[in-house]
Amino acid sequence: GQQVMQIPQYQHVQEGEDFTTYCNSSTTLSNIQWYKQRPGGHPVFLIQLVKSGEVKKQKRLTFQFGEAKKNSSLHITATQTTDVGTYFCAGRARGGNKLTFGTGTQLKVEL
Amino acid sequence: DSGVTQTPKHLITATGQRVTLRCSPRSGDLSVYWYQQSLDQGLQFLIQYYNGEERAKGNILERFSAQQFPDLHSELNLSSLELGDSALYFCASSGIRLAVGSDTQYFGPGTRLTVL
Repeated sequence: GQQVMQIPQYQHVQEGEDFTTYCNSSTTLSNIQWYKQRPGGHPVFLIQLVKSGEVKKQKRLTFQFGEAKKNSSLHITATQTTDVGTYFCAGRARGGNKLTFGTGTQLKVEL
Repeated sequence: DSGVTQTPKHLITATGQRVTLRCSPRSGDLSVYWYQQSLDQGLQFLIQYYNGEERAKGNILERFSAQQFPDLHSELNLSSLELGDSALYFCASSGIRLAVGSDTQYFGPGTRLTVL
């Protein structure tokens, strides 16, 4: 079945440093979504990418969908303590009807 | 607030027991998804219902079952509970359009199940 892996599993950064998480799918995707889960909270939708090579920005967050539509990345510039949480990617295989969540990257930001 | 409600918020029970978790989707959403999240783990997809019909199945144990009712609320039934079933159970809902680009999932606050 489809597998979606994320690296790294954990990341500790100092406030102000940049952070990147990478998402890799075993199959070609029709779209990729990103979610953020704060500690003690529930996953919250951040963004969806659909086109090959697509890049979208949300303030300090930059999301990219690979040319082959099998990988994606989330980059945060100048992290803040409010960025703490676990970031999940989620992809739907081309022709599939199930959204598969990645393994998640837990981000901790230290002052 | 995502608009998805889940009850109860917490549930403590004993091994061998059966529990029912309830989810009400966002107004107008026809799809309901159930996920299991163990401590510091990812989201394990269990099952999806669309307008009352089972649409997709993940790693759901035979001891677990779900259904979606005509009013679109859903229930997840967990039976013969084991210690390892202790986890956070999330429900999510999504809109009626199943075309690419229209299946953003909105998660409820979750039910924390503790099996003693």
